[in-house]
Order: sequence, then C-alpha cells, then structure tokens
Amino acid sequence: GQNIDQPTEMTATEGAIVQINCTYQTSGFNGLFWYQQHAGEAPTFLSYNVLDGLEEKGRFSSFLSRSKGYSYLLLKELQMKDSASYLCAVQTPAAGNKLTFGGGTRVLVKP
Amino acid sequence: DTEVTQTPKHLVMGMTNKKSLKCEQHMGHRAMYWYKQKAKKPPELMFVYSYEKLSINESVPSRFSPECPNSSLLNLHLHALQPEDSALYLCASSQDRRTGVYGYTFGSGTRLTVV
Repeated sequence: GQNIDQPTEMTATEGAIVQINCTYQTSGFNGLFWYQQHAGEAPTFLSYNVLDGLEEKGRFSSFLSRSKGYSYLLLKELQMKDSASYLCAVQTPAAGNKLTFGGGTRVLVKP
Repeated sequence: DTEVTQTPKHLVMGMTNKKSLKCEQHMGHRAMYWYKQKAKKPPELMFVYSYEKLSINESVPSRFSPECPNSSLLNLHLHALQPEDSALYLCASSQDRRTGVYGYTFGSGTRLTVV
C-alpha cells in the first residue's frame, strides 16, 4: 500500500521560515507534488520533484531524497496569507499513476 | 483557458433526490478525476477517466455514477445519497495519467450537503 506522513499542524510567526516534512513509502515513484489549500477552496499546485535535490520558486522551495523517501516544503518570509493546509502527494505507477495525498499539514501564521 | 470549472458551487439535496455535478476543462487534458474531501482531511480519489474511459473506480458505492460524455466534460450523478456523503467534491484534470510536471489542475469544488 501507499503510506504518506506529514505533521498535522505547525505554527509560525509572520516573516519567519517553516519547514514541512513529508515521508513516504510507496510502490514505485513517479514524482512528488506539494499543494496549498485554503479552507473551503481547491488545492493549488506549488511544486514538483522527481529527481533528488532542491527546487526553488520564489519564497517556496521543495526538496526530495528518493533514497530516504523524504521531502520537505520550505516556506520563507511567511505572510499571513500563507495560513493554509499543505498537501504532500506522491504519484505511483503501480496505482495507475494516480496521486495519493498525505493527511495535510495545517500551517497557522501568527502576527 | 487554464481552469477547471465545476458547477454548482453549492448543492443541498435530500436523500431521495437525483442530482448531477458537472466539471469542464478546455486545456486538452485527457485524464479527469473525481475526489471527495471531508473537512480537515485530504482529498480521496473516487474515479479516474483516461481518454474518456473509466480506468479507476476506488470501490465507490453505486449511488455515485460518473460519466464522461466527451474529452472536456465529466459528470457525477448522485442518487439516494446519505448524510455522510456530505463533503467537498473536487474535479481535477491532467495532461494524461502521468500528469506531467504540473500535476493535477483542480476545480474549486462543489460543496454538497445531504439532508
């Protein structure tokens, strides 16, 4: 089966940095995605990693280590609007290339 | 057009009603998905259509019936639902089942309440 773990909640201060970890154990691997979801809204794409290393996109960066089954999403210079759930999702060929989501991490940014 | 459009945005239905959720995309994507999401939970896959054919059904009860009339449209027909089926129903699409680097594009969802 597919197992994707991430912390349930994190709290950080405006302007600070927060790192959201995701560990996975899956049958095969075709890529790892991070999505942001505000309450009651659709998930929006943040990043994609398929090779080991760091991908940087403005204030957001994502890292992948395939050998460790580990990824993190780094949010820098936190803003109040970054308060949301962050979903780690893994694509697996054995499961028809569908995305399987982790439980999501709710990030609360405080002033 | 880089959007997935879902209608209606909100739906309240009785347990004996029949209703349909609609999803539309014009990005030329050939894979489309229905997800169900309960509050504070991640999206759970229900169905996958690939090139207009049903390719994955995640053991969803028959009171949910998907339909893909053409490559741009995806429907979810609802009949005899239960209150526990109340949730946010998300439609998504991707280039094909390998998704490409951008993953899925999600619609804004239909908030369904069964009374």
